[in-house]
Amino acid sequence: AQSVTQLDSHVSVSEGTPVLLRCNYSSSYSPSLFWYVQHPNKGLQLLLKYTSAATLVKGINGFEAEFKKSETSFHLTKPSAHMSDAAEYFCVVIHGSGNTGKLIFGQGTTLQVKP
Amino acid sequence: DTGVSQNPRHKITKRGQNVTFRCDPISEHNRLYWYRQTLGQGPEFLTYFQNEAQLEKSRLLSDRFSAERPKGSFSTLEIQRTEQGDSAMYLCASSLVGTSPYGTDTQYFGPGTRLTVL
Repeated sequence: AQSVTQLDSHVSVSEGTPVLLRCNYSSSYSPSLFWYVQHPNKGLQLLLKYTSAATLVKGINGFEAEFKKSETSFHLTKPSAHMSDAAEYFCVVIHGSGNTGKLIFGQGTTLQVKP
Repeated sequence: DTGVSQNPRHKITKRGQNVTFRCDPISEHNRLYWYRQTLGQGPEFLTYFQNEAQLEKSRLLSDRFSAERPKGSFSTLEIQRTEQGDSAMYLCASSLVGTSPYGTDTQYFGPGTRLTVL
């Protein structure tokens, strides 16, 4: 069965410093992986997705993630944090193969950005 | 704005009452999903529709829960005889599914309905 594990429940960085949010996945198939962000009182927003094309995926707001099959990882990075990046981040895998669509979410990582 | 909308945004009810939530997906999207998110957790899948057909239901969806999408557009999620354990954020998402296996099933989420059962 597919699953994702977010290795940190809480990450704190200073504004202008790099961000690293870690995610490991488990999948019997070649996975489709996503990162979503959830700001307080707002809906989940897609940051980026990996679907077996390029292993380095660029997303919105300067975020990117690298798919590493050998490490079963899909870590999210950003070179320089901004105050507006403070939010909850979810690593997500699609359940099963093909086009079933059901998303399996990690537990989430809270990103705190200090001035 | 033509994103996913959900109503109401907040619902407070007493244990034992019935509640109904509505989701309006992005207009051309053929798939609609319901998820539940409890405090401090990631969302969990409940059910989904392709057009008006309900294709899968999670074991989390007890017989007190029912979902419909009668004309393949909006959807409703009803909870009968609510319990305190039903308190959560209920999220709706929609997507447009093509023929490619990894093509277009990117899910767009609504703001959610927060249910509090007293």
